[in-house]
Amino acid sequence: GNSVTQMEGPVTLSEEAFLTINCTYTATGYPSLFWYVQYPGEGLQLLLKATKADDKGSNKGFEATYRKETTSFHLEKGSVQVSDSAVYFCALTPPGGSYIPTFGRGTSLIVHP
Amino acid sequence: EPEVTQTPSHQVTQMGQEVILRCVPISNHLYFYWYRQILGQKVEFLVSFYNNEISEKSEIFDDQFSVERPDGSNFTLKIRSTKLEDSAMYFCASTRDRDQPQHFGDGTRLSIL
Repeated sequence: GNSVTQMEGPVTLSEEAFLTINCTYTATGYPSLFWYVQYPGEGLQLLLKATKADDKGSNKGFEATYRKETTSFHLEKGSVQVSDSAVYFCALTPPGGSYIPTFGRGTSLIVHP
Repeated sequence: EPEVTQTPSHQVTQMGQEVILRCVPISNHLYFYWYRQILGQKVEFLVSFYNNEISEKSEIFDDQFSVERPDGSNFTLKIRSTKLEDSAMYFCASTRDRDQPQHFGDGTRLSIL
């Protein structure tokens, strides 16, 4: 079946540090890949997506590149802010059928001033 | 920007009781979803709903659960005879087109005592 594995949190960083949150997936074929963000007390919001191999999704300074060879979609940001503190979820939707996303467990990011 | 709204934000219920979680999807959306997130675990798909019927459901969505769109705006999740393990965050989501990213509400935290 399809699955998403994310690095364990929490990830704790100082402001302006570089962020990487690892995500790997298991799926048949070429799924679409997503990062969602959940700010405290809120629902999930789509942060970025990539729908084919070597695509790079980007938004709000965050980036992730779809790597078919390593089945990965790691989230990166060059300089985090306190306001980036949230839980980040990696997700996939399988090709050619259901559009229901399969989520990872989520990784909590805490950014200190 | 239009939002998916969920009520209540927190529901506390005695084990064995029935509970109804309410959602108002974005007004021109056609596809509706419920997810749950047990504390510290993955966001799990429960059910999708389109054209006044269930279009897809997971193994979690057994006879204890039901969904309804009683009028043109609300979308409800009913849980009968609640169990302790039903304690979770329940998210509603909606989308206009099935292949577009879903818009999530802020969730209802359900606590079963």
